[in-house]
Amino acid sequence: RKEVEQDPGPFNVPEGATVAFNCTYSNSASQSFFWYRQDCRKEPKLLMSVYSSGNEDGRFTAQLNRASQYISLLIRDSKLSDSATYLCVVNSDSWGKLQFGAGTQVVVTP
Amino acid sequence: EPEVTQTPSHQVTQMGQEVILRCVPISNHLYFYWYRQILGQKVEFLVSFYNNEISEKSEIFDDQFSVERPDGSNFTLKIRSTKLEDSAMYFCASTGPGAAGYTFGSGTRLTVV
Repeated sequence: RKEVEQDPGPFNVPEGATVAFNCTYSNSASQSFFWYRQDCRKEPKLLMSVYSSGNEDGRFTAQLNRASQYISLLIRDSKLSDSATYLCVVNSDSWGKLQFGAGTQVVVTP
Repeated sequence: EPEVTQTPSHQVTQMGQEVILRCVPISNHLYFYWYRQILGQKVEFLVSFYNNEISEKSEIFDDQFSVERPDGSNFTLKIRSTKLEDSAMYFCASTGPGAAGYTFGSGTRLTVV
C-alpha cells in the first residue's frame, strides 16, 4: 500500500466553482500534514499546514480526519491561477522526512 | 521572503562523471534535506541533515551519494559516478523552529547522458 495516496485527476473545474479532493495516508503515527502546490517543473510550495481542527486560508480549506486517516482540500471560487498539481505531504516526526503523494492535478477553465 | 537557493539550475553530465549540486538553505534553519523528482513521478526523500551529520537517508541514497555542509551556509549533494537513472530534478529544502513548513529551493535539473 502506498504511504500517501491521491487521486491523480485531472479535476477540470470551471472558473468560480468549488473543487475538493482527498488524500489518504497509511501511517497512523503521522504527525504533521501539509498541502503543497507544484506548478509544472517547479518546486513544491507550501499552500497550508493542516491542523486537527481543520483550518482555512482565504479560499482554501483543509480538514484532517485522523480516525479515517485522510486529509482534504477544498478550493472555493476557483481562479485560473489555481491550476496546478496539489501535493499531499505527511511526516511522522518533527523535522523528519516528508512523504509525498503523487499529486492531484487541478485545471481551472474559463 | 527568505529563500532556499540552488545552483546550477540545470546540469548536463556524462554517465560516470561526478556532480555536485549546491544549496544555500535559509539562514536560521537547522534541518536540511535533499529530495528528487524523476519526470512524471512523485517527490522522493533522499537524505536529511542536522547538526552536521546525516539524520536519515533513504534506500536511494546509496554509496554513490554524499552530502556536506562545508561552511556555515552551503549544503551540497555529491553524486560520485552518475548513472542514466539519476536524471531527475533535485530539490533542496530546509526548515527549523518557528518555520511554517519546509521551504524548497527551485531545484537543479540533472540530465545524465
